[in-house]
Amino acid sequence: GAVVSQHPSWVICKSGTSVKIECRSLDFQATTMFWYRQFPKQSLMLMATSNEGSKATYEQGVEKDKFLINHASLTLSTLTVTSAHPEDSSFYICSARVLAGLVEQFFGPGTRLTVL
Amino acid sequence: GQNIDQPTEMTATEGAIVQINCTYQTSGFNGLFWYQQHAGEAPTFLSYNVLDGLEEKGRFSSFLSRSKGYSYLLLKELQMKDSASYLCAVMDSNYQLIWGAGTKLIIKP
Repeated sequence: GAVVSQHPSWVICKSGTSVKIECRSLDFQATTMFWYRQFPKQSLMLMATSNEGSKATYEQGVEKDKFLINHASLTLSTLTVTSAHPEDSSFYICSARVLAGLVEQFFGPGTRLTVL
Repeated sequence: GQNIDQPTEMTATEGAIVQINCTYQTSGFNGLFWYQQHAGEAPTFLSYNVLDGLEEKGRFSSFLSRSKGYSYLLLKELQMKDSASYLCAVMDSNYQLIWGAGTKLIIKP
């Protein structure tokens, strides 16, 4: 149980285009989902926290108009990188938590984004 | 500010034992996690400590001292597949995970 999937697993796009990444909890309902970014040889950096049905909370320095997060259902959250640039190339990972207050987060397999 | 410190890289021999240390300073504490991350993959959960002491799970053990802001992950009978990065993360008072930069563990035959 507690499986989180991400789609796509990798994507290559041209500069200026938008890319949507989906994060799904397959066998549980996730009240909270987290989006992380990880650059090579660096730690995970939390981008935003999203709760189902409400606006995402973005970390300082993360542009909410550039990284659009939608958490429309208890099993799906999407991250859209708008007008992507080469510096947005990174490994994007989502995680999901079942209920507020429970500590464990279940991670998706990650999405490798390369912007040319 | 919040800070998690762990060594950048460690090397050990197959079959041996290695201890990866983690020290932390965070606003509040709701537990400490250890995750394993192979290159190009997402982290996978190894352990969770919220009370002081040692938690053993097979070849892996994790220790926590809250008064010292210190934890370690102990890996026994090392196998080549244990070559990975090991991430220490602390859950703060807002239930946010604060991540360390990770320790790259290199296993040599």
